[in-house]
Amino acid sequence: SQTIHQWPATLVQPVGSPLSLECTVEGTSNPNLYWYRQAAGRGLQLLFYSVGIGQISSEVPQNLSASRPQDRQFILSSKKLLLSDSGFYLCAWTAPSQNIQYFGAGTRLSVL
Amino acid sequence: GENVEQHPSTLSVQEGDSAVIKCTYSDSASNYFPWYKQELGKRPQLIIDIRSNVGEKKDQRIAVTLNKTAKHFSLHITETQPEDSAVYFCAASYGGYQKVTFGTGTKLQVIP
Repeated sequence: SQTIHQWPATLVQPVGSPLSLECTVEGTSNPNLYWYRQAAGRGLQLLFYSVGIGQISSEVPQNLSASRPQDRQFILSSKKLLLSDSGFYLCAWTAPSQNIQYFGAGTRLSVL
Repeated sequence: GENVEQHPSTLSVQEGDSAVIKCTYSDSASNYFPWYKQELGKRPQLIIDIRSNVGEKKDQRIAVTLNKTAKHFSLHITETQPEDSAVYFCAASYGGYQKVTFGTGTKLQVIP
């Protein structure tokens, strides 16, 4: 069966520090991968999605970036975090040509 | 791009009553409409979905209806229970890469 791993679960970082969040999917090939951010009490904001290795589409211009170095690995990065980057970050995947999204457990990021 | 509006933002019902959450979408090309439930601090999880070739779908106490002409769809929960308390998100999907646009969420509180 397919599973999605996301880590770390929680992270506290100072303003201006770098960020790296990782997401991996098991049990499927060529998944579509997504990064979402959820501010406290708010909806899901799509940040990036990827349909293949090295293929990244950005939905919102900001100081975050994403990379997909391997088929089932999706990384969210920042060179310098801002206070406004705090939130709950969720990775998700869909099987090729399928619609159902499955979410990882999320990373709660606090930028202080 | 697609725009999904969701109402109400909060909803309180007495245990045993019904709850209805409504969403509208803007892009007539959207053909897949999932509903996710997110408990506090947890990941969103799919509870029911409907495709554009179906007008209604039911799963035990949960049902979803779709009106393609009016571009709106609704979630109906009957005989609500305290464990139904959560945030519910509607979404609309289209395109070869299954990009999903989420509504802003409805916080449902079921009062025992």
